[in-house]
Amino acid sequence: NAGVMQNPRHLVRRRGQEARLRCSPMKGHSHVYWYRQLPEEGLKFMVYLQKENIIDESGMPKERFSAEFPKEGPSILRIQQVVRGDSAAYFCASSVDRGDNYGYTFGSGTRLTVV
Amino acid sequence: AQTVTQSQPEMSVQEAETVTLSCTYDTSESDYYLFWYKQPPSRQMILVIRQEAYKQQNATENRFSVNFQKAAKSFSLKISDSQLGDAAMYFCAYYNGGSQGNLIFGKGTKLSVKP
Repeated sequence: NAGVMQNPRHLVRRRGQEARLRCSPMKGHSHVYWYRQLPEEGLKFMVYLQKENIIDESGMPKERFSAEFPKEGPSILRIQQVVRGDSAAYFCASSVDRGDNYGYTFGSGTRLTVV
Repeated sequence: AQTVTQSQPEMSVQEAETVTLSCTYDTSESDYYLFWYKQPPSRQMILVIRQEAYKQQNATENRFSVNFQKAAKSFSLKISDSQLGDAAMYFCAYYNGGSQGNLIFGKGTKLSVKP
């Protein structure tokens, strides 16, 4: 039973380019959460999605960032026109139910470097 | 708003010894969940231990145990018989079980284990 799969593991983008980060939740999990980890910081919540629905995007920057979780395929976190400040590790987590109080299963993250 | 504070940016322990990592949190809720996550250099977020606020008994998982003081809003992690493989970043996290479903993390404590 594969865990949460994120790809790519490392992504380098030039300023102004687009970054697409993918997350496949654990089998049987229909809830996906994206977190961002800046250097020397803990993880910060960005967005919570169910299939075809954004449930809570209170942690998402208002511009350039978007997320989706289509009926088929992985969840995608998209960052348009990246800037140096977007450089961070982006983690995806999944759970069986909404707000799984048994603790989420995290992927290994995607480290985005903007040059 | 809920916050999680880890006051020890770095800690060090001798192999086979015991170390305690501190965590305090702020909330007005009475029912919530607390977690400790381990993040080794591989970047994978690994759930170490979980505590339900309504349970007075401290959670234990093998060499890992917590000291949960609800009135003081304190949730420390004790690692007994420390091993080299315990070296990692440790994050304390809070979840209120509410509609948002997101975890709130502290900034982490970097644990070094000396042979």
